[in-house]
Amino acid sequence: GAGVSQSPSNKVTEKGKDVELRCDPISGHTALYWYRQSLGQGLEFLIYFQGNSAPDKSGLPSDRFSAERTGGSVSTLTIQRTQQEDSAVYLCASSTDSRQPYYEQYFGPGTRLTVT
Amino acid sequence: DAKTTQPNSMESNEEEPVHLPCNHSTISGTDYIHWYRQLPSQGPEYVIHGLTSNVNNRMASLAIAEDRKSSTLILHRATLRDAAVYYCILRDVNTGNQFYFGTGTSLTVIP
Repeated sequence: GAGVSQSPSNKVTEKGKDVELRCDPISGHTALYWYRQSLGQGLEFLIYFQGNSAPDKSGLPSDRFSAERTGGSVSTLTIQRTQQEDSAVYLCASSTDSRQPYYEQYFGPGTRLTVT
Repeated sequence: DAKTTQPNSMESNEEEPVHLPCNHSTISGTDYIHWYRQLPSQGPEYVIHGLTSNVNNRMASLAIAEDRKSSTLILHRATLRDAAVYYCILRDVNTGNQFYFGTGTSLTVIP
């Protein structure tokens, strides 16, 4: 079946511009996560959605970052006034149910963001 | 979240077994142990998870110490496709729903 998809696969933007990154989770998955991975580093948690509950935004690095999830499905991560340190691969993952600790996460291929 | 410690890198010969260690001395009784791997230029993929007992699946085996302060991911016969970064992660929904991935172990498979 279809996995998690992300778009665009690559995005080059100028410093100060806003960008939107999209994630389509696996159909029926109620949990959705955003991570970012800087070059040669591990994954850094950004934000998490579970069903209709308020999202866990504890990982967002600044108020320039925001995310929404419409209709419990597609999610958009928005970075306003991009900075060069925002350059990274942004990964989205979805899960059947995040409220149990044994459910696995399925990751998308990521969006590589380069801020020039 | 309780943290994990893994070696930065390991090497293995092709067709040989690989034992990837992970220390998690501050693990709590409700923490599940998850392993993911990330192949080059791809998102991470699930490998295996366990709580107390050893686990086997088609990809790997997970051996969990009796005191649960460490675990070992076992690849029975390494192939070139197994070259990846392997992450050992603890997950307890009581303390948060994000995974803490750390920097993992970079596995090199030598032909």
